[in-house]
Amino acid sequence: QQQVKQSPQSLIVQKGGIPIINCAYENTAFDYFPWYQQFPGKGPALLIAIRPDVSEKKEGRFTISFNKSAKQFSLHIMDSQPGDSATYFCAASSDNYGQNFVFGPGTRLSVLP
Amino acid sequence: GAVVSQHPSRVICKSGTSVKIECRSLDFQATTMFWYRQFPKKSLMLMATSNEGSKATYEQGVEKDKFLINHASLTLSTLTVTSAHPEDSSFYICSARDLGQWNGYTFGSGTRLTVV
Repeated sequence: QQQVKQSPQSLIVQKGGIPIINCAYENTAFDYFPWYQQFPGKGPALLIAIRPDVSEKKEGRFTISFNKSAKQFSLHIMDSQPGDSATYFCAASSDNYGQNFVFGPGTRLSVLP
Repeated sequence: GAVVSQHPSRVICKSGTSVKIECRSLDFQATTMFWYRQFPKKSLMLMATSNEGSKATYEQGVEKDKFLINHASLTLSTLTVTSAHPEDSSFYICSARDLGQWNGYTFGSGTRLTVV
């Protein structure tokens, strides 16, 4: 119930490609779904987040697609750049202020020049 | 935006000594902060929830006597690794939520602890 599954574990794309990272959850109490980007030796940084009342959210080159009935959400990175190479974590939480804040296992993205 | 400052960024200590890591919310007040541990190439694992003015809540399997948490003010939480051992070597990260932002979980930059 508390798990957030994430795939793929790692991903390699060419510059300009569109990597897609998928996550799935079980707990229907989750109502906040952020994506974090983490570079080696640094803390995670919030990239983009969505609530279940919308099916898509776009910020710059990053788009979250959300399927409430399937309990799945995904991150798309348009026109990917080598600087996007990092580990991406999806997460989910409920508004119980930090309780049930669960991270996915992460996806290591490499964007080749 | 909300900023969480974590200090030190890296520390090396000898086995048996204690190390204190600070987590500060710089431009907002945080009644609750969170401490995570991250092993290489792994996800973040919640260790404990730090509550201002009261005892921390530890996740199952986390030794509260080993990982002492103090949240003495609305902007500062500290994690003290007591009697450190090499297996405590890890990347420790704190986070806090700015209630003024709906998506306000902000993470510190992490502390790389190496116990020799």
